[in-house]
Order: sequence, then structure tokens, then C-alpha cells
Amino acid sequence: GAGVSQSPRYKVAKRGQDVALRCDPISGHVSLFWYQQALGQGPEFLTYFQNEAQLDKSGLPSDRFFAERPEGSVSTLKIQRTQQEDSAVYLCASSLDWGDEQYFGPGTRLTVT
Amino acid sequence: SQQGEEDPQALSIQEGENATMNCSYKTSINNLQWYRQNSGRGLVHLILIRSNEREKHSGRLRVTLDTSKKSSSLLITASRAADTASYFCATDATRGSTLGRLYFGRGTQLTVWP
Repeated sequence: GAGVSQSPRYKVAKRGQDVALRCDPISGHVSLFWYQQALGQGPEFLTYFQNEAQLDKSGLPSDRFFAERPEGSVSTLKIQRTQQEDSAVYLCASSLDWGDEQYFGPGTRLTVT
Repeated sequence: SQQGEEDPQALSIQEGENATMNCSYKTSINNLQWYRQNSGRGLVHLILIRSNEREKHSGRLRVTLDTSKKSSSLLITASRAADTASYFCATDATRGSTLGRLYFGRGTQLTVWP
């Protein structure tokens, strides 16, 4: 009974570098969400997948952020040309379907120097 | 904003006491979820209450929902030091938004002293 896993757990990037964050949802979960959590804040929605379809990307802060879930399972969040304001914890969550409990991974803490 | 707002922002109690945290939100919801987050860790799902439910229990947790007041409360009974964490409520919207997308507040930081 593995939960949601994310890798890497920590990532330090120099400003301008590209990063890729991976999320392995719970097997069989149709819905997958990405959230960004700044220090001392609650998570903020980034994007949502239903199987392989990205149904909502309205929370992505800029066109430097890109997410995919090509086979409806593993998802990758890519940030191009990272900037200091991208420093945050990136959380992935999956649920059986859109209205069910969302189970979160441990997050990836991204620090841009 | 459809964001949930927790109250109080911080709560400090002794072991054995009860802890009550409140959450208010602004728009109609399908459900409301409570999560716990230990420092530097991911979110742990505690309980989900649907809009047609008024109260739900899980172990030492009791959640109430009043949709007329757009508010919810989380009660932790007989608190333990291990309950020290941040607690978030998260709501989803019934319209004008991705179904299932969660809106979080800033959380309540609970400290339980031994």
C-alpha cells in the first residue's frame, strides 16, 4: 500500500536552471493535482490531471511552468529558467476521482539560489 | 477568494486538554477536508466531511460542518504532544472552478506541551 511518492525530496538549483519534479500517485487514482506551498502558507493549486488529460492549468504562475502526465500515472512538473521566487515546496496529491479524499506526497523542497 | 480561513492562527495547550480549531469559507462546497502537517513534512489527510453531513468522528477527532454559516470546526480530544502540527482546512468549490481543486487556508499551528 504505497502512498504518493515524490522525487527528489530536496532540490537546489541555481537561478536560470531547469528542474523536473516527479510524482508517483497511488495506483489506480484517476485525479492528480500539483500544489505549491510557500513558507508559512497553505498550499496553492497549480494544475490538475484527470488520467492523462490536463484539465486545468490556471494555477501555473507563468509559462515557465509545465506539467505532464503522458500515460495517466506518473506526472512531472517542469520549471524552466528557475527564479528565486520559485523557491517553495511542491506538493503532489492524487485521489480516486475528483471529489474524493486527496492524498499528498511528502513534497519536493525547491531552493533557487 | 474561496479560500478557507482557520482560526486561531496559533493554539497552545497542555497534554490531555481538548483543542478546537475553526474554519470559515466563502462559497458553496462539495466537501471540506482537514489535514495535518508536521514541520517539513507532507500533508496527512485527517477527515473529509461532505456538504450534506453535519458531523463526523474519527478516533479522537470530531468535525462539524455548518453550511448555513459556511464554517467547520475540528476538535481533537485528549491531546498528545504528538498532535503538535499545523492543521489546515481545505474546501472545494461547486462551480466556477475545477471540480476537486482544493482551496487551503493558512492553517492553525497547534502546540501541545507535555
